[in-house]
Amino acid sequence: DAGVTQSPTHLIKTRGQQVTLRCSPKSGHDTVSWYQQALGQGPQFIFQYYEEEERQRGNFPDRFSGHQFPNYSSELNVNALLLGDSALYLCASGTGQMNTEAFFGQGTRLTVV
Amino acid sequence: LAKTTQPISMDSYEGQEVNITCSHNNIATNDYITWYQQFPSQGPRFIIQGYKTKVTNEVASLFIPADRKSSTLSLPRVSLSDTAVYYCLVGVPYMDSNYQLIWGAGTKLIIKP
Repeated sequence: DAGVTQSPTHLIKTRGQQVTLRCSPKSGHDTVSWYQQALGQGPQFIFQYYEEEERQRGNFPDRFSGHQFPNYSSELNVNALLLGDSALYLCASGTGQMNTEAFFGQGTRLTVV
Repeated sequence: LAKTTQPISMDSYEGQEVNITCSHNNIATNDYITWYQQFPSQGPRFIIQGYKTKVTNEVASLFIPADRKSSTLSLPRVSLSDTAVYYCLVGVPYMDSNYQLIWGAGTKLIIKP
């Protein structure tokens, strides 16, 4: 079992650009959540996808959007990148909507310059 | 939104028992308390989850008092490899029936030889 896999592992973008991050959930999981973790801080919940729909959303602007595919994999898109978007982006998968017992990927380190 | 409160850091020695307490007001009636462990540049790893009283697994115990406004993670006989950041996770009511998952700031635990 490959667990939760995220790609790419590292990424450098320029302010104003757009970025797409990808996540494949653990086998048997149907829920995917995305988190942003700034250096030295705890993860901040972005949104959760279940049954290909956004079910919960944290306090993030509309520049952050996502998608879940029929195979349960997911994408996180961020438009008009800001320097402050530099962070570790974590994907977590689980079962059901609450998703408190989640399995996390290694994350994608995004640097905006 | 209610927030969780944990000590910013703790030190202990190999072989000791370590207790980390998290305070959480406005926890949802039917929600669980979950603790995660995170090493640098890795995604968080699930440790233990509970609803009330005491839960024990192969790595930790979780103590929850009757009012559920706090919880204590207990790590028996810690080793150097337990040096990590520990997060307390609870669900809180947000915008009617939608639940937002709130992470604490985390407790940086340093184990010394």
